[in-house]
Amino acid sequence: EVQLLESGGTLIQSGGSLRLSCAASGFTFRDYSFNWVRQPPGKGLEWVSVISGSDLGSVTYYADSVKGRFTISRDDSRDTLYLHMKSLSAADTAVYYCAKFPSPRIRGDLNWFDSWGQGTLVTVSS
Amino acid sequence: QTVVTQEPSFSVSPGGTVTLTCALNSGSVSTANYPSWYQQAPGQPPRTLIYNTNIRSSGVPDRFSGSILGDRAALTITGAQADDEFDYYCVLYIGRGISVFGGGTTVTVL
Repeated sequence: EVQLLESGGTLIQSGGSLRLSCAASGFTFRDYSFNWVRQPPGKGLEWVSVISGSDLGSVTYYADSVKGRFTISRDDSRDTLYLHMKSLSAADTAVYYCAKFPSPRIRGDLNWFDSWGQGTLVTVSS
Repeated sequence: QTVVTQEPSFSVSPGGTVTLTCALNSGSVSTANYPSWYQQAPGQPPRTLIYNTNIRSSGVPDRFSGSILGDRAALTITGAQADDEFDYYCVLYIGRGISVFGGGTTVTVL
């Protein structure tokens, strides 16, 4: 069974930095690309970032709202996805979900989320 | 800036049919945007319903269907049931690795 377990969410002051983790199990982690998707309390979902399979160069893309502040990375030896966040503001307060793509490639026809974690809450106090 | 727009809410009678749509501010939605649809209950992660415009994810009942209607992506629920009351989100691929979520539609069955 595919499992994605996020951790690292906490209450943090504005301007601070934080690292989220997503531990994967039940499948071969290195064979897939992964995303972070966030959801502010009571609001809609927002795509944050994607990373391709490491055999394809771990190519990354970001939403404009986080570009330059967030960094997605992966450690295939630990079956873990990360999101490094800096210069946090209240606008970054959200539940952060890890979501898997069905392929290591980032390509239109493969651009859909086939598995989701339960999420971890990041609260940024101003 | 790319904006994807969905109806904020929709109400449907039990057994009725409802079509939710997903529009792109920069132009028409096509199959090249590879629309996907997700269902979300309060406090839960999303559940994948449809991908690549009209392919149902594993275990999704066939009363959920996806299509392109005119210049928009569409999700149709046929024979709506009380347990279809969720938020529904579309996602469009706009190229260069970028995905954009719509604002979501809350469906009420009454």
